Amino acid sequence: DIQMTQSPASLSASLEEIVTITCKASQGIDDYLSWYQQKPGKSPQLLIYDATSLADGVPSRFSGSRSGTQYSLKISRPQVDDSGIYYCLQSYSTPLTFGSGTKLEIK
Amino acid sequence: QVKLQQSGAELVKPGASVKLSCKTSGYTFSTSYMSWFKQIPGQSIEWIGMIYAGDGGTGYNQKFKGKATLTVDTSSSTAYMDLSSLTTEDSAVYFCARVGELGFAYWGQGTLVTVSS
Repeated sequence: DIQMTQSPASLSASLEEIVTITCKASQGIDDYLSWYQQKPGKSPQLLIYDATSLADGVPSRFSGSRSGTQYSLKISRPQVDDSGIYYCLQSYSTPLTFGSGTKLEIK
Repeated sequence: QVKLQQSGAELVKPGASVKLSCKTSGYTFSTSYMSWFKQIPGQSIEWIGMIYAGDGGTGYNQKFKGKATLTVDTSSSTAYMDLSSLTTEDSAVYFCARVGELGFAYWGQGTLVTVSS
């Protein structure tokens, strides 16, 4: 199974900061990587697919990138509503595997 | 628009089985794939498996083989997941999500399964 090592586990950021969350894959996943936001009691919401493509309706302050087998989600000038838990998901091979999640608080 | 409506919360006894449903609308169910996921509250998400509605072909996470069985009813555009021999470790929220080329853009609202005597 492909392991997705996600960091940090939690972070607190202000409205003026740039937030970066990373996921490192245990092997190459050919950009089959998506990012999701989940709020309490809700289902995950797709933010980024294919590592760098913005999903429909997602604000442009969200972006994705890759360096080797490390993938990053960046939120520029986050809003209070961006608070939640963020997960990466690799869909390169089965079983699909998620990162452990990053709890983000926007102050 | 695409909708995935999951069945309501379940309280079941250890050793019992439960069948969860995911009723879809707004897209062509019979030519699509559906995945199921498990999330224990406060923890990350696990992929259980997926099913192709066209022929019922399935693929499972080895961890859930023998625990989960995925089926579909194309006449009602509904996907099902049977969970058998339930233990307290199966207590979780279960989600269905449509498999799309652009990631999992559509999810059900989740079904809470509580296993307790």
